[in-house]
Amino acid sequence: KNQVEQSPQSLIILEGKNCTLQCNYTVSPFSNLRWYKQDTGRGPVSLTIMTFSENTKSNGRYTATLDADTKQSSLHITASQLSDSASYICVVSDSGGGADGLTFGKGTHLIIQP
Amino acid sequence: SQTIHQWPATLVQPVGSPLSLECTVEGTSNPNLYWYRQAAGRGLQLLFYSVGIGQISSEVPQNLSASRPQDRQFILSSKKLLLSDSGFYLCAWNPDRGPLYGYTFGSGTRLTVV
Repeated sequence: KNQVEQSPQSLIILEGKNCTLQCNYTVSPFSNLRWYKQDTGRGPVSLTIMTFSENTKSNGRYTATLDADTKQSSLHITASQLSDSASYICVVSDSGGGADGLTFGKGTHLIIQP
Repeated sequence: SQTIHQWPATLVQPVGSPLSLECTVEGTSNPNLYWYRQAAGRGLQLLFYSVGIGQISSEVPQNLSASRPQDRQFILSSKKLLLSDSGFYLCAWNPDRGPLYGYTFGSGTRLTVV
């Protein structure tokens, strides 16, 4: 059964600090991995998408890494801001590509304190 | 540019009442459309997806149904709501151009069945 596990479940850090969120998956065959940011009560917004051949991708202060061999991904947030407070969801797609091939993690709830 | 609209934002309905949530996409044609449900502390669960007018695929047997009467309109319905139908419902779309194109989510509907 395809699974996506995210850690930590929740995280509190001070504004300006860096943090790293983890995503481990067992989806096979692998197609791509996406990170989404979801503000409370809102829909998820895409941050990055990576395929098998990509091992790092940045979007401003967000940098995602992918190790397809160990089936791990991380999302690193640099110089955190209050607006980074949100849930971050890791989504892995199998090679079928359709919506029925997406496996969602439960998310990491990040709180940035002033 | 493409936009996705979902309404209402919040809804409180009594058990046994009908439901109709609407989602429309602008600025594109022939999108793939999806309905997800997000329960507290759980990942997003795919409910329905559609690759064209009148084409609906159901992922989970349930009390809900979906319809696509027009190319860019997707409706989630129920004839009689159950308490277990409460949750956060998200509509999403992606271009009909392959699995690497990211999914764009609507702003969500918070449904509370009382």
